[in-house]
Amino acid sequence: DAGITQSPRHKVTETGTPVTLRCHQTENHRYMYWYRQDPGHGLRLIHYSYGVKDTDKGEVSDGYSVSRSKTEDFLLTLESATSSQTSVYFCAIRRDPDTQYFGPGTRLTVL
Amino acid sequence: AQSVSQHNHHVILSEAASLELGCNYSYGGTVNLFWYVQYPGQHLQLLLKYFSGDPLVKGIKGFEAEFIKSKFSFNLRKPSVQWSDTAEYFCAVGREYGNKLVFGAGTILRVKS
Repeated sequence: DAGITQSPRHKVTETGTPVTLRCHQTENHRYMYWYRQDPGHGLRLIHYSYGVKDTDKGEVSDGYSVSRSKTEDFLLTLESATSSQTSVYFCAIRRDPDTQYFGPGTRLTVL
Repeated sequence: AQSVSQHNHHVILSEAASLELGCNYSYGGTVNLFWYVQYPGQHLQLLLKYFSGDPLVKGIKGFEAEFIKSKFSFNLRKPSVQWSDTAEYFCAVGREYGNKLVFGAGTILRVKS
């Protein structure tokens, strides 16, 4: 158990609506990550954070924004959800040495 | 383009058969290598990892992997699979001091009892 919770675990929304996913960790790790998982693509990095208010883009960041106002929470926001953002979203933390551990995931469906 | 390739998308085996899942990557320089497993309906769990040293790495649940630098490969093996090994397996390459993991597309393993 990596001490990561994600909320909500399931969400159905409509195209054009804003959506925020939350990742919460209990172990005070500096690095946190958001990935999306799609069949045939494995997991792809959306954004990551290396500290409070410090974030950077990943491979598939278009249409997503993130915020980290405190160490334990990393938020992923879809400003205007599209059907192509239907996916399973995983949060991860990095423990030394350089190993990432994943949360339970959020299944998002955009109709 | 730099990438991580997993050779088979679907593998079906009978219980007690041997398993080998291929993984090749195209990054130069120093990399960290990982295999993760995702059981149906669950999140990813770390099976094993390689950073340096002995290229034969042992992980949990009887899995092992061999790093062959000259072939840019990190293949996963298990001598005798069980029905409970049914899952999706992901190879991942860590770069930039672990800041970024790049995943292969995954291999779905089904073990017939």
